[in-house]
Amino acid sequence: QSALTQPRSVSGSPGQSVTISCTGTSSDVGGYNYVSWYQQHPGKVPKLMIFDVSKRPSGVPDRFSGSKSSNTASLTISGLQAEDEADYYCCSSAGGYTYVFGTGTKVTVL
Amino acid sequence: QVQLVESGGGVVQPGRSLRLSCAASGFSFSSYAMHWVRQAPGEGLEWVAVISYDGSTKDYADSVRGRFTISRDNSKNTLYLQMNSLRAEDMAVYHCARVVNSWLGYWGQGTLVTVSS
Repeated sequence: QSALTQPRSVSGSPGQSVTISCTGTSSDVGGYNYVSWYQQHPGKVPKLMIFDVSKRPSGVPDRFSGSKSSNTASLTISGLQAEDEADYYCCSSAGGYTYVFGTGTKVTVL
Repeated sequence: QVQLVESGGGVVQPGRSLRLSCAASGFSFSSYAMHWVRQAPGEGLEWVAVISYDGSTKDYADSVRGRFTISRDNSKNTLYLQMNSLRAEDMAVYHCARVVNSWLGYWGQGTLVTVSS
């Protein structure tokens, strides 16, 4: 039950693209297509941005996209905007009813 | 609409116990597995525990196994987390959450647990 590994921080200028990686094992990320991504602004409840690796809930801009290769999932934010500055967490099913979260990544818009 | 409202947080001494509650409304509570997720101050999210829709299956993070017990009362639409032998590292905001298919789709605002002597 180790946390999934994410970079501590990434940054980009408005309009640029940034990608956040999320590395797990074959027991979580690699074993299931149930990776989700959450955006969290300070003091707020996490907001779902991506589910099932690459699907976007209604209302989430198509600037946000997800993918997975083997034991690593990725979230890409294209056309970075000021309001995208937040913490981002990946989350994977880990078997049964259990989940595991990533260590979290702070996205800074320069 | 789906509402999850946690309560029961507060200040507790190390080694003592606390019980959190999560009142659910706006959906058929007895049809869904429910989770607890916590976030220590300035830290990341940590999945804590899950209970199946009927309470027959429970699972825990290694960090709380043997000390925390998740339970539910479907007649009261309420989820619980009994926390025993609390440690400083258990200090966090505790959220209850409901699954939507394969993701944690609904979250409560959370209740703060402070462990301090």
